[in-house]
Amino acid sequence: AQSVTQLGSHVSVSEGALVLLRCNYSSSVPPYLFWYVQYPNQGLQLLLKYTSAATLVKGINGFEAEFKKSETSFHLTKPSAHMSDAAEYFCAVRKINNDMRFGAGTRLTVKP
Amino acid sequence: NAGVTQTPKFRVLKTGQSMTLLCAQDMNHEYMYWYRQDPGMGLRLIHYSVGEGTTAKGEVPDGYNVSRLKKQNFLLGLESAAPSQTSVYFCASVRGSSYEQYFGPGTRLTVT
Repeated sequence: AQSVTQLGSHVSVSEGALVLLRCNYSSSVPPYLFWYVQYPNQGLQLLLKYTSAATLVKGINGFEAEFKKSETSFHLTKPSAHMSDAAEYFCAVRKINNDMRFGAGTRLTVKP
Repeated sequence: NAGVTQTPKFRVLKTGQSMTLLCAQDMNHEYMYWYRQDPGMGLRLIHYSVGEGTTAKGEVPDGYNVSRLKKQNFLLGLESAAPSQTSVYFCASVRGSSYEQYFGPGTRLTVT
């Protein structure tokens, strides 16, 4: 079975600080992994995706994620948080039959 | 392009009533998905479709039915609504050779 676990339902950082949102996956085959962002009262927007090419994936808005097979992790980072990064972030895995499974989400708060 | 649209945006039902949610996309995408979003549980896949005339069950299909008679439309039906189906419903579509899901704005459903 393939699923994802997001560690920490709520993360709070100061503006300018490092953002680290954690995601671990379980998969019996090489996974396709994604990070999505959701702003209040909106749908989800793709930040970045891993599809078995480069293990360090760069996305929009300065975010990046590193696929680590040995740790079964796909953590999302951004060197310097901005107030506009405050949102909910979801990690997701696409199963081989095109089924999609999302994590429970992490709400990011950015303090001035 | 309008992208992915959902109708209606809001709806209140009484227990036992039925309704259909419509998802439409104008991007000629092959795959379409219906999710529900509940606090603390992320997005859970209800049903999905990998092409016109085909549907498959996701993680939480009970109490819902779907149809994909036309490539651009994916309908989600509730035959007999229950309070447990109070949620925000999102539709998404994917171009077959890509992995990026394009999400609609959501439908907020309340069942009393």
